[in-house]
Amino acid sequence: QKEVEQNSGPLSVPEGAIASLNCTYSDRGSQSFFWYRQYSGKSPELIMFIYSNGDKEDGRFTAQLNKASQYVSLLIRDSQPSDSATYLCAVKGGATNKLIFGTGTLLAVQP
Amino acid sequence: GAGVSQTPSNKVTEKGKYVELRCDPISGHTALYWYRQSLGQGPEFLIYFQGTGAADDSGLPNDRFFAVRPEGSVSTLKIQRTERGDSAVYLCASRQGTSSGGELFFGEGSRLTVL
Repeated sequence: QKEVEQNSGPLSVPEGAIASLNCTYSDRGSQSFFWYRQYSGKSPELIMFIYSNGDKEDGRFTAQLNKASQYVSLLIRDSQPSDSATYLCAVKGGATNKLIFGTGTLLAVQP
Repeated sequence: GAGVSQTPSNKVTEKGKYVELRCDPISGHTALYWYRQSLGQGPEFLIYFQGTGAADDSGLPNDRFFAVRPEGSVSTLKIQRTERGDSAVYLCASRQGTSSGGELFFGEGSRLTVL
């Protein structure tokens, strides 16, 4: 079992729709959860982080965390073509500052 | 500099050769990470430094890979006897402080191609 799992996609949504990206993790002791965006040929950049169960909103982005289910998600409202990228879920374990990434989900927003 | 700087941006080498990849983190960032990313995959953790010491090197695939950070700033990833399977983009990232939070800032990567 991979430590951090994501559906590789591609996930295709029409412009203006809500994009829902999901991630599961295996280490129950994990404490910090991150979503990074990576455009083709570029390096990852942080979108959001979340530590506590529940929702965290930042503009058009909402991160959701359910530690009991070991599940993290990212919602993107009013999706734009410029949101088309690979979205990487990353998890930091409880005992280490090592950040483990999933394989990423490719999002394609259709104009 | 303003961001994480990695050199070279591209490196082509022959199987069996030795390679060094350099990372200059954001000034004042105490934590430095090395990742490897193959096409279509997420970044794969290699090693993490806190200051001068390797806090976690559990991701180094074998003893051909070694990394140093002698003065707690610039880091060098060293690969001996390169193999074709080592071809990937090697990403360096830095973070301020030792807390569990803190954003990782990535460099643009060094693309290694082993022929």
